[in-house]
Amino acid sequence: DAKTTQPNSMESNEEEPVHLPCNHSTISGTDYIHWYRQLPSQGPEYVIHGLTSNVNNRMASLAIAEDRKSSTLILHRATLRDAAVYYCILFYNQGGKLIFGQGTELSVKP
Amino acid sequence: NAGVTQTPKFQVLKTGQSMTLQCAQDMNHNSMYWYRQDPGMGLRLIYYSASEGTTDKGEVPNGYNVSRLNKREFSLRLESAAPSQTSVYFCASSERQGLYGYTFGSGTRLTVV
Repeated sequence: DAKTTQPNSMESNEEEPVHLPCNHSTISGTDYIHWYRQLPSQGPEYVIHGLTSNVNNRMASLAIAEDRKSSTLILHRATLRDAAVYYCILFYNQGGKLIFGQGTELSVKP
Repeated sequence: NAGVTQTPKFQVLKTGQSMTLQCAQDMNHNSMYWYRQDPGMGLRLIYYSASEGTTDKGEVPNGYNVSRLNKREFSLRLESAAPSQTSVYFCASSERQGLYGYTFGSGTRLTVV
């Protein structure tokens, strides 16, 4: 499984945008980019995924570099409830399994 | 609410005891998974079942067995618990081989003393 690299931790202020980076220089053409988050004492929660184009949903936006070697998860207005560990995972569509790395711990200050 | 249900939520075992963690999903998903999460770590895949009747090893299968009882249920068994198996265990399920995301349960916190 291809690897991803994320910062260990990031801080944000409430109601400001947050950009969470992820590097995946060994990504293959069949790998999707998935993001999950895990709130304290809860199971992980699916956030968003994409292949080549930028994606938006009610939770976040995913910006994918043109060469697909990096991506950024964007939370448009951080709230205190967004404090969590965010995982960027490369997912092989045909029989792939989610393999978690260390993730980025996001803290949100009021 | 629809989703993945895990039982029990908490369990304390003595070294050498056995137990089965239960997982059930009501979303008609084909694939199911068991993960463990140690303090301060990411999740590690123990076993998975791509479809009813099949199971495969993940990253850390030693010391565990699984049963895909039917499409809804996927159980994880510890035959002889060890302190190293103290962890939080998460079950998950997915459709379309996970492309549209996994749904996770709320976890079972297991302590082996």
